[in-house]
Amino acid sequence: AQSVTQLDSQVPVFEEAPVELRCNYSSSVSVYLFWYVQYPNQGLQLLLKYLSGSTLVKGINGFEAEFNKSQTSFHLRKPSVHISDTAEYVCAVSGGFKPIFGAGTRLCVKA
Amino acid sequence: DTGVSQDPRHKITKRGQNVTFRCDPISEHNRLYWYRQTLGQGPEFLTYFQNEAQLEKSRLLSDRFSAERPKGSFSTLEIQRTEQGDSAMYLCASSTGTPHEAFFGQGTRLTVV
Repeated sequence: AQSVTQLDSQVPVFEEAPVELRCNYSSSVSVYLFWYVQYPNQGLQLLLKYLSGSTLVKGINGFEAEFNKSQTSFHLRKPSVHISDTAEYVCAVSGGFKPIFGAGTRLCVKA
Repeated sequence: DTGVSQDPRHKITKRGQNVTFRCDPISEHNRLYWYRQTLGQGPEFLTYFQNEAQLEKSRLLSDRFSAERPKGSFSTLEIQRTEQGDSAMYLCASSTGTPHEAFFGQGTRLTVV
């Protein structure tokens, strides 16, 4: 069985500061990894994905994530956040037949 | 391609009533998923289809829930005898298969009063 753990339910950060949102996964098979972003009253949209190849992947809005197989992690980072980055960020793993999602991390960017 | 669409966007119903939601996936996607999301939580898997076949249903899903995908196109999710605990956002997603990158609709927000 697969599972995803997002240890931080909420991350407050000041504008222009760097941020890291943590994601750890468990899987017995090779995986594909995703980060989604959800703005208020909107659906989930894909931020970035790891399928194969380079372990550092870049996504939209200046976000990037690094796949670490030995630590079974896929942490999301941004060097300088904006107020507009305030949203819910959800990590997902897929390796079987369906994507499995974490509980999400609420990123709160303060001025 | 207009993406995944869900109807209705909002539904308020009285406890004990039946409700049905519709999802139209991206046309070339053969996989369709239903998830449920409550406040502060990530999407919880309910069920998925490969074309018209329902391949998996969550063990957490009550018998009051049923889903169909006739002809492998749109899908419906029905909840019978709704309970207050059914109040949530119901999300539909579709994909082409491996690697199962899911494209989501806007969701249907159900409120049971």
